[in-house]
Amino acid sequence: DAKTTQPPSMDCAEGRAANLPCNHSTISGNEYVYWYRQIHSQGPQYIIHGLKNNETNEMASLIITEDRKSSTLILPHATLRDTAVYYCIVRTQPGNSGYALNFGKGTSLLVTP
Amino acid sequence: DAGVTQSPTHLIKTRGQQVTLRCSPKSGHDTVSWYQQALGQGPQFIFQYYEEEERQRGNFPDRFSGHQFPNYSSELNVNALLLGDSALYLCASSLLQGRAEAFFGQGTRLTVV
Repeated sequence: DAKTTQPPSMDCAEGRAANLPCNHSTISGNEYVYWYRQIHSQGPQYIIHGLKNNETNEMASLIITEDRKSSTLILPHATLRDTAVYYCIVRTQPGNSGYALNFGKGTSLLVTP
Repeated sequence: DAGVTQSPTHLIKTRGQQVTLRCSPKSGHDTVSWYQQALGQGPQFIFQYYEEEERQRGNFPDRFSGHQFPNYSSELNVNALLLGDSALYLCASSLLQGRAEAFFGQGTRLTVV
């Protein structure tokens, strides 16, 4: 699975959009981009995933560049409860090979009042 | 609908002892994965169980073993505990094929003294 690079930390004001970048320059054609987050003292929580098209759900939007070498997770209106570590993970679609997730160190997002 | 449940939530063991951690997957899920998360690090994949067999394994020694029962619940066993085994142990459940997201439990905090 491709390696990802994320900034170690970011700040965002409450109510503003939080834009979390992820670089995955070695991504291959059959690899998906997944985002999980981990709020302090809890297990990781799935947010969103995508292959090459932009995706949106009730939690966030995922913007993937045309060359697929980077992506941005957007939390449109950040709240204090969005303070967490956000992990960008690149891997092939789960199948017979299983579903191991390769977490890096992620980005620690602090949402301030 | 109960999510992924893990027990116990906290545990203190002495170096050299053995420990067993337990996980009940989310209803309808048939695959269980275990992760180790040291303080300040992202979760690291230990192994995955499906149909009562270990299907995939991360870079962990044989002291780490597991089991999956017919009802899909799972156990993680660690023998000859080392101080470095102190960590948060996370269980995740999913469907082997199809669904994208894995659901994580709250974890078991193991302290080895």
